[in-house]
Amino acid sequence: DTAVSQTPKYLVTQMGNDKSIKCEQNLGHDTMYWYKQDSKKFLKIMFSYNNKELIINETVPNRFSPKSPDKAHLNLHINSLELGDSAVYFCASSMPGQGNGYTFGSGTRLTVV
Amino acid sequence: AQTVTQSQPEMSVQEAETVTLSCTYDTSESDYYLFWYKQPPSRQMILVIRQEAYKQQNATENRFSVNFQKAAKSFSLKISDSQLGDAAMYFCAQSGGGTASKLTFGTGTRLQVTL
Repeated sequence: DTAVSQTPKYLVTQMGNDKSIKCEQNLGHDTMYWYKQDSKKFLKIMFSYNNKELIINETVPNRFSPKSPDKAHLNLHINSLELGDSAVYFCASSMPGQGNGYTFGSGTRLTVV
Repeated sequence: AQTVTQSQPEMSVQEAETVTLSCTYDTSESDYYLFWYKQPPSRQMILVIRQEAYKQQNATENRFSVNFQKAAKSFSLKISDSQLGDAAMYFCAQSGGGTASKLTFGTGTRLQVTL
């Protein structure tokens, strides 16, 4: 029973392509997130959705478009991929205000060639 | 704005010994939470320990404990009886208490465990 599952785990694609990463959580959490971990291991938030509503949108290029069809799912679509988009993308979920921590998916390693 | 600072890029400890990883943070929120996450080579983010800012008592989880100094905005992690499986990146993180809160991470400390 994976709590936060994201697919695919690995993604290798050429520059200019469009790709999507999917995320699902079965924890009943209200809020889901996308984080990017760069080559130096630094983790930075990209987006956050609470009950399907976008509540955090950091300074991310508009080639990145999140979509949340329901509160258990949060997908990330990336258009016109660039070399600099290569990173590990983590989906996470939480129940804000309860301080129980954020549960992370296993990450998607995206490599743009 | 929230910031989290980890000043030790790398640490090393011998098996069975104790090591302390440092973390300082800054936030304007009065209600917040602090966390330590472990990221082994498998890249999975694993919650090690958490602390509510309103609690004075330091959190403990088996061999892991924290030293939470609220006035100094310091949140260090102590690992006792270190094991080879403790080798990983450790991230200190902080979040607020509201719906629009987010988890802000430090830059991480790579912990090596030697025989």
